[in-house]
Amino acid sequence: GAVVSQHPSWVICKSGTSVKIECRSLDFQATTMFWYRQFPKQSLMLMATSNEGSKATYEQGVEKDKFLINHASLTLSTLTVTSAHPEDSSFYICSARDGTSGASTDTQYFGPGTRLTVL
Amino acid sequence: SQKIEQNSEALNIQEGKTATLTCNYTNYSPAYLQWYRQDPGRGPVFLLLIRENEKEKRKERLKVTFDTTLKQSLFHITASQPADSATYLCALHTGGFKTIFGAGTRLFVKA
Repeated sequence: GAVVSQHPSWVICKSGTSVKIECRSLDFQATTMFWYRQFPKQSLMLMATSNEGSKATYEQGVEKDKFLINHASLTLSTLTVTSAHPEDSSFYICSARDGTSGASTDTQYFGPGTRLTVL
Repeated sequence: SQKIEQNSEALNIQEGKTATLTCNYTNYSPAYLQWYRQDPGRGPVFLLLIRENEKEKRKERLKVTFDTTLKQSLFHITASQPADSATYLCALHTGGFKTIFGAGTRLFVKA
């Protein structure tokens, strides 16, 4: 089955530093990847959609200069949280859509998530 | 406004019983609806997809119904087991490849 990995699984950083999270599709080519954040007991909130080789599309209210997304290849997307602050502490989850299967549905395969804690 | 509602209260059931979770939505006309399972500290795992022209979909002990008139989907787990304890998320496809998730319902299955 389709597998998506994320690295790191958890990270603790100081306020003002930048953190990079990687999302990889391991056994399929992901033409589209999605980045979500989730607060405790709340729904997944879509932050941005990234397509390989083009700029990410950010959801309303998400600062593109703070959350930098790079989707340089069909198997890798990165999210960089720049100048992190305590309010950025959250669970960040990526997902990928298998663009090569020709499927007309949006079945997304999720990574295991990254827990970010900003001190 | 557009809304997806899942029962925010946890559902507690006895092992062997059927668990039924509800997903209601307003102001959407989704082409299909999906159910995911999420364990604490983990990403969601895809379970089932049901299209607007399908009334019911089954997979092993799982069954999903989709009533576009009532704007409701029901998710059933038959012969539930403690290992089924998790949060179950309902997700609607809203156009393009954008998916909107409900907040989920926590299920506890007691042995």
